[in-house]
Amino acid sequence: DAKTTQPNSMESNEEEPVHLPCNHSTISGTDYIHWYRQLPSQGPEYVIHGLTSNVNNRMASLAIAEDRKSSTLILHRATLRDAAVYYCIPSGGSNYKLTFGKGTLLTVNP
Amino acid sequence: NAGVTQTPKFQVLKTGQSMTLQCAQDMNHEYMSWYRQDPGMGLRLIHYSVGAGITDQGEVPNGYNVSRSTTEDFPLRLLSAAPSQTSVYFCASSYSDRSGYTFGSGTRLTVV
Repeated sequence: DAKTTQPNSMESNEEEPVHLPCNHSTISGTDYIHWYRQLPSQGPEYVIHGLTSNVNNRMASLAIAEDRKSSTLILHRATLRDAAVYYCIPSGGSNYKLTFGKGTLLTVNP
Repeated sequence: NAGVTQTPKFQVLKTGQSMTLQCAQDMNHEYMSWYRQDPGMGLRLIHYSVGAGITDQGEVPNGYNVSRSTTEDFPLRLLSAAPSQTSVYFCASSYSDRSGYTFGSGTRLTVV
């Protein structure tokens, strides 16, 4: 499994953009980059994933570096409900499974 | 379409008892996994399956057994419960590596 490095914590103000970085320098060529989040007292929730190109969905955008060794999850306008632990997880192929690291605890200030 | 259903939601066991945590999905997902999350800690992978009849160990498999006789069901068996297995257990499933995993709502297990 590819090793990931994420900041332990980040802070943002409500309605401002948030950029959550992740380094995954040992990612394999077949791994997708998955992002999940876990809100307090809830199970993990899928956010977004991508392989090489940048991706957008209703929740967030994912910017992937050209060499795929890092990626950034972008929340365009943070809300209080976005306060959660965010996990970046490279995985894919026939042995597809998620191995969670420590993630980034995002605090959103009103 | 019920998603990922975990039963029971809460359970108290005595040390040494055995039990099975149930996980079922109705989305025809090939990939299924079991995780445990101790208070204030991250999620740790117990066992996973990439299809019916195929299972493999995750990070913390000791004390747990799994089987995958059908695509829909992935039960987790605690062989002889210990207080160290007090945790919240999450089951998850996914269609492929091009899609995300859907998580169940969890089973909160206390072993006394």
